[in-house]
Amino acid sequence: EDQVTQSPEALRLQEGESSSLNCSYTVSGLRGLFWYRQDPGKGPEFLFTLYSAGEEKEKERLKATLTKKESFLHITAPKPEDSATYLCAGGRMDSSYKLIFGSGTRLLVRP
Amino acid sequence: DTGVSQDPRHKITKRGQNVTFRCDPISEHNRLYWYRQTLGQGPEFLTYFQNEAQLEKSRLLSDRFSAERPKGSFSTLEIQRTEQGDSAMYLCASSLALRGTDTQYFGPGTRLTVL
Repeated sequence: EDQVTQSPEALRLQEGESSSLNCSYTVSGLRGLFWYRQDPGKGPEFLFTLYSAGEEKEKERLKATLTKKESFLHITAPKPEDSATYLCAGGRMDSSYKLIFGSGTRLLVRP
Repeated sequence: DTGVSQDPRHKITKRGQNVTFRCDPISEHNRLYWYRQTLGQGPEFLTYFQNEAQLEKSRLLSDRFSAERPKGSFSTLEIQRTEQGDSAMYLCASSLALRGTDTQYFGPGTRLTVL
């Protein structure tokens, strides 16, 4: 059965304190690994897609990496505005292209 | 910015009532998805359209749920005889199917509360 697991569930950081979020996946025929950011009461906002092991993508203070079993979202010198829930999702290579989401990591960055 | 829009943003209803939600996708996007998200969880897939054809429905989608996408444009999701367990955020996403890529862009969601 397809599964995406994120850890930790919650993370508190001081401003400037770098850290990493983990996403472990078992998705049949993975076509892509997606990262989204979600603010309270809003829809997920697209961040990155990773297609193959070894691939890396960066955006401001965020960098996403992918292995055959895991993906990491590295946050360098975070700011309070980076506080949000970060969702990881696996996309299947089948007719629907539906996304299978993890439960997310709630990040709080304190000033 | 013509992103995905959803209406209404919030809906409070009594158990047993019918509700309908609307989603307007990004123009020229041919795929449209509905997901449901409960507190502390990630979104769960409900159903998917390619143009006007509904190609897949999750087992989560009981026969009280129906979705349409007439003419391949906007979509509606109707829940009949609502139950308290239907309380959740209903998210719509759209994408443009291109070879090797399919990034889904989400709307703001409709928050449903069933009393």
